[in-house]
Amino acid sequence: NAGVTQTPKFQVLKTGQSMTLQCAQDMNHEYMSWYRQDPGMGLRLIHYSVGAGITDQGEVPNGYNVSRSTTEDFPLRLLSAAPSQTSVYFCASSYSGRGVGNEQFFGPGTRLTVL
Amino acid sequence: SQKIEQNSEALNIQEGKTATLTCNYTNYSPAYLQWYRQDPGRGPVFLLLIRENEKEKRKERLKVTFDTTLKQSLFHITASQPADSATYLCALDISYNTDKLIFGTGTRLQVFP
Repeated sequence: NAGVTQTPKFQVLKTGQSMTLQCAQDMNHEYMSWYRQDPGMGLRLIHYSVGAGITDQGEVPNGYNVSRSTTEDFPLRLLSAAPSQTSVYFCASSYSGRGVGNEQFFGPGTRLTVL
Repeated sequence: SQKIEQNSEALNIQEGKTATLTCNYTNYSPAYLQWYRQDPGRGPVFLLLIRENEKEKRKERLKVTFDTTLKQSLFHITASQPADSATYLCALDISYNTDKLIFGTGTRLQVFP
């Protein structure tokens, strides 16, 4: 199993550009989520999905879109990049997403810089 | 809003000693709490889960306690080793029917030989 994979590893954008961060998992997990991690702020939840076709907002959703057309993939779209979106982005997945305390499996992260 | 505080940004201890990390929370009654380890440049890795009806959980040299009255969890690493040096994150569930978690900012542990 590859686990949770994220691409790209690094990305530099100019203000106003759009891009998609890719996330895929091969563990047949129902629950997937996106976090951003900033110094001193910890991990903050952006969007999450409890299954294919179902997404919802987390703590900091503004400026980001998600979709979940398959169980395996959960891409995160930045619509118009801003310097405030400079961060490290982590994708995570877990087995059921039914609030039973499943461990979250994290990807290696994407380090994004917006100039 | 929910708030999680981890006792200090950094903790330095000598090899062989017990490291104790604190996680305090307010404004919520979580059904469980999780602890993760994060190494530089990597994603967090799950270590332990403790439920609201459990006082203590152990796994090898790791021990977690959960006091729902004090709204606090303690994370202990006994006989610490330099390889235990990492950032440790606590996380609370914030939804009864999903796996949504809210994370603390983490404590960076450095174990010196």
